[in-house]
Amino acid sequence: DGGITQSPKYLFRKEGQNVTLSCEQNLNHDAMYWYRQDPGQGLRLIYYSQIVNDFQKGDIAEGYSVSREKKESFPLTVTSAQKNPTAFYLCASSIGGAYEKLFFGSGTQLSVL
Amino acid sequence: ELKVEQNPLFLSMQEGKNYTIYCNYSTTSDRLYWYRQDPGKSLESLFVLLSNGAVKQEGRLMASLDTKARLSTLHITAAVHDLSATYFCAVDILQGGSEKLVFGKGTKLTVNP
Repeated sequence: DGGITQSPKYLFRKEGQNVTLSCEQNLNHDAMYWYRQDPGQGLRLIYYSQIVNDFQKGDIAEGYSVSREKKESFPLTVTSAQKNPTAFYLCASSIGGAYEKLFFGSGTQLSVL
Repeated sequence: ELKVEQNPLFLSMQEGKNYTIYCNYSTTSDRLYWYRQDPGKSLESLFVLLSNGAVKQEGRLMASLDTKARLSTLHITAAVHDLSATYFCAVDILQGGSEKLVFGKGTKLTVNP
């Protein structure tokens, strides 16, 4: 079955540590996105990528980094510079940036130890 | 800056009743999306509204879009417990040469027996 796989489902970060969230899709989508969701809030865009080897900052990119070396994969690193990383992180993909075809992964809950 | 406001943010209703969730946005857009999220889960696409006057219906949910009023509504008819979830609207805008999806904070719906 085609879809988006995020892992791990739960992740704990120690102070000063970088952690990486995985996002893989087998939908052959060009565009991929990372969103952050805080309790009682809507989703906020962290980074997005329209094609391989290219990505752009979203609204809240500080303290995060991404790479897009393969079409299928768009990992997100939460760096130690992100002082408030506890949130639910959602990865999404779409055909060429068309939001009406936006598919979401199941999410990763990141917490700080 | 685009603002997307949902009203109400919390809604508790009895089974069998009708109610409407409102989504107002502050800038021009012809495209609006409704998503459903169950606790700890990903987002599921419900409706895609692509033009003024668009109306979509699926089961007990009906969504409409008035681009002139910058308003979308999600109407619930004869609510059932299975509709309990958080509902998000999201507006597609063009900013800085790129498309961007801005989410409302969500409406948490609880349907009581």
